[in-house]
Amino acid sequence: AQSVAQPEDQVNVAEGNPLTVKCTYSVSGNPYLFWYVQYPNRGLQFLLKYITGDNLVKGSYGFEAEFNKSQTSFHLKKPSALVSDSALYFCAVRGEISSGSARQLTFGSGTQLTVLP
Amino acid sequence: SQTIHQWPATLVQPVGSPLSLECTVEGTSNPNLYWYRQAAGRGLQLLFYSVGIGQISSEVPQNLSASRPQDRQFILSSKKLLLSDSGFYLCAYKTFNTGELFFGEGSRLTVL
Repeated sequence: AQSVAQPEDQVNVAEGNPLTVKCTYSVSGNPYLFWYVQYPNRGLQFLLKYITGDNLVKGSYGFEAEFNKSQTSFHLKKPSALVSDSALYFCAVRGEISSGSARQLTFGSGTQLTVLP
Repeated sequence: SQTIHQWPATLVQPVGSPLSLECTVEGTSNPNLYWYRQAAGRGLQLLFYSVGIGQISSEVPQNLSASRPQDRQFILSSKKLLLSDSGFYLCAYKTFNTGELFFGEGSRLTVL
């Protein structure tokens, strides 16, 4: 079975500082990895994805994520945080060779990012 | 361009009343469609997904049902709501085999 772990419920960072939101995964075969952001009472917005290729993936709003196969991680990063980045962030995974219901994305439990002015 | 619409955005219903949440997608054909529930503003639970008209897969046994009467329409229903059905319901679609999901703006259901 595939799974995603976001070990931090809450991450606080000062504006202008770099931020990292952690994600580790477990999946059969090669992973397809995704990050989403959710603002209060809104749907999830896609930020970036890793399918294949460069381990460093760049996405929307200056976010990037690094795929590390040996550590089965896909941490979300941004060099300089903004107050407007404060939101709930979800990591998601599915396996390349998944079948049946496992072909659907599995989401982590979410990490609340707060950027302090 | 592709868009996804959900309605109503907010709904307050008494226990035992019926439910119908609707989701439509524009600008694409034969999408995979999904219903998720998000409780307490956190984790997402996949309720149903559909790969085509009339094809519904249920992930968890529950008080809810889903239907796909048209290619780009996905409906979440209940005959009698329970208090535990309260939550934020999200519809999503996917157009490519390895692609990301695109979510609607959500429907917040409060059962009293």
